[in-house]
Parts: sequence; C-alpha cells; structure tokens
Amino acid sequence: AQSVTQLGSHVSVSEGALVLLRCNYSSSVPPYLFWYVQYPNQGLQLLLKYTTGATLVKGINGFEAEFKKSETSFHLTKPSAHMSDAAEYFCAVSGVSGGYQKVTFGTGTKLQVIP
Amino acid sequence: DVKVTQSSRYLVKRTGEKVFLECVQDMDHENMFWYRQDPGLGLRLIYFSYDVKMKEKGDIPEGYSVSREKKERFSLILESASTNQTSMYLCASSFRQGRGETQYFGPGTRLLVL
Repeated sequence: AQSVTQLGSHVSVSEGALVLLRCNYSSSVPPYLFWYVQYPNQGLQLLLKYTTGATLVKGINGFEAEFKKSETSFHLTKPSAHMSDAAEYFCAVSGVSGGYQKVTFGTGTKLQVIP
Repeated sequence: DVKVTQSSRYLVKRTGEKVFLECVQDMDHENMFWYRQDPGLGLRLIYFSYDVKMKEKGDIPEGYSVSREKKERFSLILESASTNQTSMYLCASSFRQGRGETQYFGPGTRLLVL
C-alpha cells in the first residue's frame, strides 16, 4: 500500500520569499516520488522526480526537492517565489499494484504568491 | 513535445445521458489513464490501459467504462450520467510500464451533470 500526505491545502508567500511545500509518503517498497504542477485551466505537468541516486533533485523553473528516507519526506522548495509560480502542486508516489505501475497523488497544495 | 488532447474542455449533460470523453496522444505511448479531480480529494484513478484493447480498473471504476481500440485513443464512457459524476476529468499517457515513468496530461474536461 502507498499513500501521500500534503500538509496545507493552501500556502501563501510573498513574491521573492522562500517557497516550501510539504509532502510525506508511505510506501512498502523503495519509493519513486514526483512533483507535478497544475496551472489554472491546464492539465498537470512534471516539475521533478526522484527514482534512485542523488537525493536532491532539481526540476524546472528553479524548483528542487530532497528525498529524506528517515523522515519519509519529499518537500518541494524554491528560494525565491515569482508571481508565475501561483498554481496547484501535487506530490505523487509510484509503486506496483496488481502487477502494474500505480501512481498515487496527494490532495494538492494551492500556492498563492502575493505581490 | 508530447501532446495529449481531450475532445472537450467543458461539457454539460443531463442525468441519465450516455457521455463519451475522448483522449488522444500523439507520442506512441503504451499506457493511458483516466483520472477524476475533485477539490480536496486530488486525483483518483478511474481506469487505465497498458495496451490496445486492454483495460484495468483503477480505484473508482463504478459507473464508468473505457475503450481502447487504437493505441493513440482512450475513451471514457459514462453509461448513465449522474450528478455525483460532475467533476474534472483528466487523461494522461506514459511511454511504457515502469515506476519512474512520467505521466503526460491533457488539459482536462470539466463535466457538469444536471
């Protein structure tokens, strides 16, 4: 069984401030972890993913996330928020169910950037 | 770039109607998925397909069926629409089976059932 918990359904930051979106996971196998972003009226697109290797993963638009096994976390950060970062962010974990790949998504965090 | 297109952005239907949602991907991906997205619930998997004419139930298949007659096309069918199926429907595809595969999403269809 696998699950994802995103802490905070809404997060507000000032433009230029640090962005921190929290994600904790549960997985019975070594996890493969993803962050997707959904801009208004669009589908989801991949920000970054962790499969194996380096635990600090860099993605698009200046975002990065660190896999911490001991804390079962995969928090998303960006040093300086931009107005264009306003969107909904989904953390996801990939496992196997019934012999097939299965991706479980979190409930999402809406990021508001205040000018 | 991978392109996943969905036949409608917005759809309004009446209770009891049969509804077809179409999804097409242009990158020869093996896998295709249908999700519904509801506020506070995130994305929930309805059905998925790993090959032509093959389908597997996801977490919430009740009230839905699917069809995959061609590799690039995956259809979601609501046999008799109900108001609790009002939602945003997202189609996605990925290249092949594998836990690290990225999913590519369409823009979504917002369905309102009256």
